[in-house]
Order: sequence, then structure tokens, then C-alpha cells
Amino acid sequence: EPEVTQTPSHQVTQMGQEVILRCVPISNHLYFYWYRQILGQKVEFLVSFYNNEISEKSEIFDDQFSVERPDGSNFTLKIRSTKLEDSAMYFCASIAGGHYEQYFGPGTRLTVT
Amino acid sequence: AQTVTQSQPEMSVQEAETVTLSCTYDTSESNYYLFWYKQPPSRQMILVIRQEAYKQQNATENRFSVNFQKAAKSFSLKISDSQLGDTAMYFCAFMKQSGGSNYKLTFGKGTLLTVNP
Repeated sequence: EPEVTQTPSHQVTQMGQEVILRCVPISNHLYFYWYRQILGQKVEFLVSFYNNEISEKSEIFDDQFSVERPDGSNFTLKIRSTKLEDSAMYFCASIAGGHYEQYFGPGTRLTVT
Repeated sequence: AQTVTQSQPEMSVQEAETVTLSCTYDTSESNYYLFWYKQPPSRQMILVIRQEAYKQQNATENRFSVNFQKAAKSFSLKISDSQLGDTAMYFCAFMKQSGGSNYKLTFGKGTLLTVNP
């Protein structure tokens, strides 16, 4: 069964460094999402992406964040200058056209020290 | 904006018994979808069950069923014959149907369910 994959599973970085989190959505899916979950808290929407542009972004998704689908398969989330409060689990999700079920990847745990 | 409320931070149940997790939501939308996601210790988000708001019939998936009360904006999850593998955090989530190109999910804070042997 097709699945969403994410790499790396765990990334440790120092404050102020740039990180890129990678996702490979299911191949025929058209809508892509990033969510964040700070440890012990609820899952929060960051950004949605469709037709090579951002559809909606939350207040969390400030100028430090960017997304890209560079090659038709990967979907990346970049944090330009990480802060301690960016430490969280980041989930990628995707939806097929004409459907509404979101399929989640296994997540990337980001630790900022 | 939509809000999702899960009023039970933690619950426990004995193996083989039945448990119900509560969820209420607030929206001005008339067309939407509701979901329950399971998050085991691995932290993977697994879809348990979904409900379309326009359907009056409550969704069921094997041991999992929902009680959807649209007027009351309530969407509870019933787990029958609880198994040890059901131990997880359960999140209730809302999605507007009229999202266009954006079908974002709004989650509740979750209920930690522990199934005891």
C-alpha cells in the first residue's frame, strides 16, 4: 500500500541553523500539508500546498518557514534559523484529488539545542 | 474559525470492555468531515474512522464506531472489545468540506487512552 515517507526520522540542530525536512507524498496525491506537534500538545496546521503554491498558512508559519516541491515528488519544509521553540514533531500529509482523507507520514522529530 | 474540544485528557479501560471518547466542535459550516486519529507511542498518526456531516448514519469500522450528533455538534468514538494495542492518544479532527484547495485539519487536544490487562 502506498504511504507517505519522511526523512530524517530525527534531526538535532543548533539554534540559528537552517534545517530542511523532507517528505515524499503518495505519488498521485495533489494536496500537501505540514503539521507540527510540540511534545504533549495537539497537532497544529502549518501550511497547505496545491498546484505549486501555498493555499493557506497559519500564524505559526512566519517568514522563517518555507515550503517547496522542487521535483514533483519531494515536498520540503525549510526553517531558516531555528529557535528552541521549533522543537517538535513535524508531520507531512497528502490528499488525492477528489478525496478528503489525509494520509500522514511517520513524522520527523526536530530537536533544537 | 473552527474549534475542537476533547474534555477528557485521560481515560482508562479494562481489556475487552467498551469505552467512549468525547469530542465536541464549534463551526458555522454546514458541510464538513470529522475524523478520529490514533497516535500510538511511535507518534505515527493513524486514521481510525471518518464521518461526513451530510450522512445521518453513524460510521463504523470493525470495533470502532461513532455517535455523531450534528445539532449538538458532538462526535464521540466508541471502542468495543478494547485491546491492549488500542492504548494510544486519540485525536478528534474537523475539516471543512468547502475547503477548495485547502482541506486542513483542526485537531482537538487529544485523549490518552490506556487499556489495562
